[in-house]
Amino acid sequence: ETGVTQSPTHLIKTRGQQVTLRCSSQSGHNTVSWYQQALGQGPQFIFQYYREEENGRGNFPPRFSGLQFPNYSSELNVNALELDDSALYLCASSLERQAYEQYFGPGTRLTVT
Amino acid sequence: GENVEQHPSTLSVQEGDSAVIKCTYSDSASNYFPWYKQELGKRPQLIIDIRSNVGEKKDQRIAVTLNKTAKHFSLHITETQPEDSAVYFCAASRGEGSNYKLTFGKGTLLTVNP
Repeated sequence: ETGVTQSPTHLIKTRGQQVTLRCSSQSGHNTVSWYQQALGQGPQFIFQYYREEENGRGNFPPRFSGLQFPNYSSELNVNALELDDSALYLCASSLERQAYEQYFGPGTRLTVT
Repeated sequence: GENVEQHPSTLSVQEGDSAVIKCTYSDSASNYFPWYKQELGKRPQLIIDIRSNVGEKKDQRIAVTLNKTAKHFSLHITETQPEDSAVYFCAASRGEGSNYKLTFGKGTLLTVNP
């Protein structure tokens, strides 16, 4: 069984640029959630995807958007990057029937300068 | 929306002692309460969870208790070991169907001194 993977591991972007982060869910999991974890804080829910549709969204502006593909992998896109977007971005996958158990990937560390 | 408060923010214990971390939540409709362990530079790992229809759950040295009336839940670690040192996060969710958004506390840095 393959765990949750994310790419890239880390990247540096300039304010105003756009970024795409990728997540491959654990084998058999069809639900993917994205979280933002600022330094020293708990993860904050961005949105969740289930069967390729957004299935819940946290308090993040529309410049945070996502996609889920037929193989259940997912992308997080952030436009017009701001300095405060610097954080660890985590994705978590879960089985439809047990959507409450979320398993996290290693994260992508984004630095905006 | 849901708000989760976690205490203490840091906790230092001697190896072999017990450690207790407490969380309170605001949404009485929350029905799922997981605990995650995050070592430095690593992913959060689910270590134990509890549903609202259960008052206590135990897994070897780790236990979680839930008081729905008071809206608080706690993580108990007995016989602590240096490898228990990490940041622990509690979370709450009022999920239904496939939407189980997790609201996290701010974390507790646990240090187990040998």
